[in-house]
Amino acid sequence: NAGVTQTPKFQVLKTGQSMTLQCAQDMNHEYMSWYRQDPGMGLRLIHYSVGAGITDQGEVPNGYNVSRSTTEDFPLRLLSAAPSQTSVYFCASKRSSNYGYTFGSGTRLTVV
Amino acid sequence: GNSVTQMEGPVTLSEEAFLTINCTYTATGYPSLFWYVQYPGEGLQLLLKATKADDKGSNKGFEATYRKETTSFHLEKGSVQVSDSAVYFCALDAGADSWGKLQFGAGTQVVVTP
Repeated sequence: NAGVTQTPKFQVLKTGQSMTLQCAQDMNHEYMSWYRQDPGMGLRLIHYSVGAGITDQGEVPNGYNVSRSTTEDFPLRLLSAAPSQTSVYFCASKRSSNYGYTFGSGTRLTVV
Repeated sequence: GNSVTQMEGPVTLSEEAFLTINCTYTATGYPSLFWYVQYPGEGLQLLLKATKADDKGSNKGFEATYRKETTSFHLEKGSVQVSDSAVYFCALDAGADSWGKLQFGAGTQVVVTP
């Protein structure tokens, strides 16, 4: 099993550009989430999904969109990149409520 | 709302020393509690978990006991190694009403010196 795969690993964007961070898991997990990690702030939830076709906002959703058309994939779209979105982004998945999440290796995004 | 508070770092220890990282939480109902570890340049890995009061999670020499009376889930290891240098995150899942959302503490950096 590959686990949770995130692409790309690194990305530099100009302010105003859009892009999609890809996330795929091969464990047939129902729950998937996107977090951003900033120095001194821990991890903050952006969006999450409890199954194909079901998504909702987390703590910091502004400027991001998600969709979940399949169980395997949960892409995160930046609509118009801003320097405040410079961060490390982690995708995670888990089987059900009492299980721990499996995290991807992250995407380091810089917006200039 | 739910929240997790963990001790600030960095925590600097010598090899073979005893490690404790304090974690307390606020939550309604009966949350599940987790410790994650993040090694430099990597994603988070699940270290251990406990899903009900008085449960003890353990893995790789680390232990944590779910104490509902003190709303705590402190992480301990009896003898640390240089390879334990990492950032440790305490987290809670509030259960059925939380839809799988994890609430993280700010993280505690641990540095183990030879």
